Amino acid sequence: KAGVTQTPRYLIKTRGQQVTLSCSPISGHRSVSWYQQTPGQGLQFLFEYFSETQRNKGNFPGRFSGRQFSNSRSEMNVSTLELGDSALYLCASSLVSGSSYEQYFGPGTRLTVT
Amino acid sequence: GENVEQHPSTLSVQEGDSAVIKCTYSDSASNYFPWYKQELGKGPQLIIDIRSNVGEKKDQRIAVTLNKTAKHFSLHITETQPEDSAVYFCAAAFSGNTPLVFGKGTRLSVIA
Repeated sequence: KAGVTQTPRYLIKTRGQQVTLSCSPISGHRSVSWYQQTPGQGLQFLFEYFSETQRNKGNFPGRFSGRQFSNSRSEMNVSTLELGDSALYLCASSLVSGSSYEQYFGPGTRLTVT
Repeated sequence: GENVEQHPSTLSVQEGDSAVIKCTYSDSASNYFPWYKQELGKGPQLIIDIRSNVGEKKDQRIAVTLNKTAKHFSLHITETQPEDSAVYFCAAAFSGNTPLVFGKGTRLSVIA
């Protein structure tokens, strides 16, 4: 089975712009979670989508949003970029069925805001 | 909400020695505790996990122990090899219903 894929892998944006990141989960996985990873804050949860519905949301401003499509692919959007948004954005997919809820991560998208 | 503390933040061991990383969690409702390994330029890789109905789990050179009463769990790596060098993260959650809360990570260096 193919793993979680994320596109693009690297991105450079200017402060004030917006950005859209994409995540394709493992085939059959219906849950997609997004995390922000920075050296100072570590791995922080952004939101989770399950069957096209946001099921959980972390403590991030409304500039961070996401959505999930019927094929379970997910996108996250960050509007009005700030320098502090520079980070590795990780997507993780999970089967979430019965006792199977292990999360598998993609390689991440490295976002640099200048 | 859940809070996970992880120690140490850095760990250096000689090749062949054992390495132990410890985590504590705050929410007694948490019942799922995975460990991830992250190599440079890659996303975290799930290496082992344990659920609260089990006290210990082993997979070749790695093992995880859980003490529900004390609310702490540990990762044990035996016979360390240079390829074990990476950043390791612990996490906690309640089944598949709550987000994973991660520790800050441990940078393990295995010296040949």
